[in-house]
Amino acid sequence: KAGVTQTPRYLIKTRGQQVTLSCSPISGHRSVSWYQQTPGQGLQFLFEYFSETQRNKGNFPGRFSGRQFSNSRSEMNVSTLELGDSALYLCASSPWSSRSGYTFGSGTRLTVV
Amino acid sequence: EDKVVQSPLSLVVHEGDTVTLNCSYEVTNFRSLLWYKQEKKAPTFLFMLTSSGIEKKSGRLSSILDKKELFSILNITATQTGDSAVYLCAVTSGSRLTFGEGTQLTVNP
Repeated sequence: KAGVTQTPRYLIKTRGQQVTLSCSPISGHRSVSWYQQTPGQGLQFLFEYFSETQRNKGNFPGRFSGRQFSNSRSEMNVSTLELGDSALYLCASSPWSSRSGYTFGSGTRLTVV
Repeated sequence: EDKVVQSPLSLVVHEGDTVTLNCSYEVTNFRSLLWYKQEKKAPTFLFMLTSSGIEKKSGRLSSILDKKELFSILNITATQTGDSAVYLCAVTSGSRLTFGEGTQLTVNP
């Protein structure tokens, strides 16, 4: 059974640009959530999608957005990149929203220069 | 605001030692507490705890939850160098996970 797949693995962008990250959940999983991990802040919740609907959103500015498609694949977009957006972005999937353990992907390492 | 606090933040032990990692939390609408192990990138799932006093075990790892005192512990017995990792505690509240800072465990041979 394939795990959670995130692409790309690494990304370098310049300030002011925008970026789109992709996450393919485990087959059959309908909940996808996104997290930002930095050395100073740890893992912080960005948002969660369930059946194409955003169910919950963390305390991040509007530059961070996401969506989920009918096949449960999800994308997150960050516009007007700032240096502080450099982080490991992790996606996690679950069969049900918050009712079982979440399986994480290997993440996308974003570096903003 | 939901809060999860782990202690210690860092721990260095020798192979064969037993370690106890702590996690306390303050969250609204608590659903479950999860433990993850993170070695490089993807945190890997260890346990999910929903009920107080029921120990979950997997090999040398075990965990228990106290919902009255709002904490959980993760025990690792007979540690091995392969146990070296960051151990993350997270609490689900609604549909979000709130993570603690993690405990960096280093097991020396």
